[in-house]
Formats: sequence, structure tokens, C-alpha cells
Amino acid sequence: NAGVTQTPKFQVLKTGQSMTLQCAQDMNHEYMSWYRQDPGMGLRLIHYSVGAGITDQGEVPNGYNVSRSTTEDFPLRLLSAAPSQTSVYFCASSYGAELAKNIQYFGAGTRLSVL
Amino acid sequence: TQLLEQSPQFLSIQEGENLTVYCNSSSVFSSLQWYRQEPGEGPVLLVTVVTGGEVKKLKRLTFQFGDARKDSSLHITAAQPGDTGLYLCAGFPTDKLIFGTGTRLQVFP
Repeated sequence: NAGVTQTPKFQVLKTGQSMTLQCAQDMNHEYMSWYRQDPGMGLRLIHYSVGAGITDQGEVPNGYNVSRSTTEDFPLRLLSAAPSQTSVYFCASSYGAELAKNIQYFGAGTRLSVL
Repeated sequence: TQLLEQSPQFLSIQEGENLTVYCNSSSVFSSLQWYRQEPGEGPVLLVTVVTGGEVKKLKRLTFQFGDARKDSSLHITAAQPGDTGLYLCAGFPTDKLIFGTGTRLQVFP
């Protein structure tokens, strides 16, 4: 079982560059989400999707775009990278959007540094 | 605004000791979850508590949800090196899940 797969594991960008963080799940989950994790701040929700073709903003969406063209994939795009976006990014998926009732499975993360 | 504060932030103990991690808020939560995260990995759900005063046990881990549903605790009995990791609480003040600040636990053999 692959579960939730994130690529790349590490990335270094220069300020102003753009890139896409990939996320794929093979569990046929409808709900997918992106978080960023910063020291002392836990995880903060960036964007989420309740199904193919549907996306919505989370707590910290500025500077990020998402799309959900298939159930399996939920890429996160950084439009113009800034040092403040240096963080560890986690993708997660669950069977349904009711996270109190559905286990959320996380990928191993992408560690991003913006210089 | 961080709604969920965890304490302590760091904890280093010897194998065999007991410990308690706290998760506190001024807001009421409909339910609360605890996760463990190991280095280089994503968080893994340990438990969900939904009723005020609820106590759940997972082997040597005991989770409690406060009566007023504003706080929770995680107690580990006879800690082992395998318990080392980052422990995160997470709760639902609305329909959105928010995470706590985290407690990093190191258990030395």
C-alpha cells in the first residue's frame, strides 16, 4: 500500500521561483488537504478539497494555488516563492471530510527552503 | 491566533518514567485528537475523544478529554525509547481541524 505519496522530499528554491509540490493517494479518498508545519506552530491548513473539481481555502492560503482534476492527485503550486514559505509541507487524505469520524492519512512531507 | 496550546514544549526523560502532556484552549471543542509524528514522517492519528470527561487507553497511553471540552491530556506510563517523537493535539472549534503547538518527547534508554 503506497498510501499518500509526496514528491519531492526536499527542494531548494530562489526567491521568485515557482514550483509544484506533488501529492497522490491510492486509497480512493475524496478529501485531500495541504498543511505547512513550522516550529512551535503545529500544522496549519493551506487548502483542501472535498472531491475532484472542488477546492477551498484553509487558514493560510496566500501564495499558494491548488487544483483537483482527479480523485488521486492534489498538487500544490507556489506561484512566486518567498522566504516566508520555507517550511515542511504535508499532504493528507481521508475517506470523508468529517475528520472527527474519518482517519486522516499524511504523506512523509516535502521540506522546502526558499533562499 | 493559536487556539491550542501544548505544554511542555520539550520533554526529555529516562526510560521507565511516567509523563503527562497537556493541551489547553479557551475555546470549546466538539472533539479532540492526538497524533504522534516521528522524524521525517507525517503525523499518525492515535485517538479521537468526543465526550467531555472521556478517557481512552491505548496500551501505555491514556488520553483524557476535559469535562468542559476545552482541554485534554496524554499520560504515558513507563515510557520507552520507541515513544520518542512529536505529539500533537488537534481539535474542532468549528468544522475545521486546528493543530496544537506540539510537544517534543525524547526518551533515553
